[in-house]
Amino acid sequence: NAGVTQTPKFQVLKTGQSMTLQCAQDMNHEYMSWYRQDPGMGLRLIHYSVGAGITDQGEVPNGYNVSRSTTEDFPLRLLSAAPSQTSVYFCASSYLARLDMNTEAFFGQGTRLTVV
Amino acid sequence: AQTVTQSQPEMSVQEAETVTLSCTYDTSESDYYLFWYKQPPSRQMILVIRQEAYKQQNATENRFSVNFQKAAKSFSLKISDSQLGDAAMYFCAYRRMYSGTYKYIFGTGTRLKVLA
Repeated sequence: NAGVTQTPKFQVLKTGQSMTLQCAQDMNHEYMSWYRQDPGMGLRLIHYSVGAGITDQGEVPNGYNVSRSTTEDFPLRLLSAAPSQTSVYFCASSYLARLDMNTEAFFGQGTRLTVV
Repeated sequence: AQTVTQSQPEMSVQEAETVTLSCTYDTSESDYYLFWYKQPPSRQMILVIRQEAYKQQNATENRFSVNFQKAAKSFSLKISDSQLGDAAMYFCAYRRMYSGTYKYIFGTGTRLKVLA
């Protein structure tokens, strides 16, 4: 059981370049999300999805796009990278809320992105 | 809006001693989940312990236990018999139990140092 697979682990981009961070889970979780982690700011939600075909914005969505064509995959696209997007990015998935079922978020290993 | 506050940016504990990490939250909901996650230098987010708000009994996982005070909106983590491997960043997180958004809200983290 692979859990949440997130790629790449490291990436350096030049300002203005675009790229896609990949996220896949094999636990049949309905809920998937992307966070960025910056020093002193915890994890901030970028975008999330509660099922295939359904996405919504989180706390810091500007400069990022997502799509959810399947239950398993939830890629994050940086449209035109900026130095302010230098951060560590995490993908996470979980079941939707159900009584007596584990609903903790499972995380990928993170991507350290540097925009120069 | 819900918020999660971790007021201790950094804590230190001697090996084999006990340490308590603080977390407070603000919500108007009555049903929700609370979590503590550990992030070691490997960057992986690891679930330490979870608490359902409808359960009065404090959750325990081996050396880790919580003090859940629902009325005070407090959710502290106690680590007993601290080990060198406990050194990490610890995040407190909140999630509504029944919600159309299912967002997890994270605190800013507490860095725990374990002294040999």
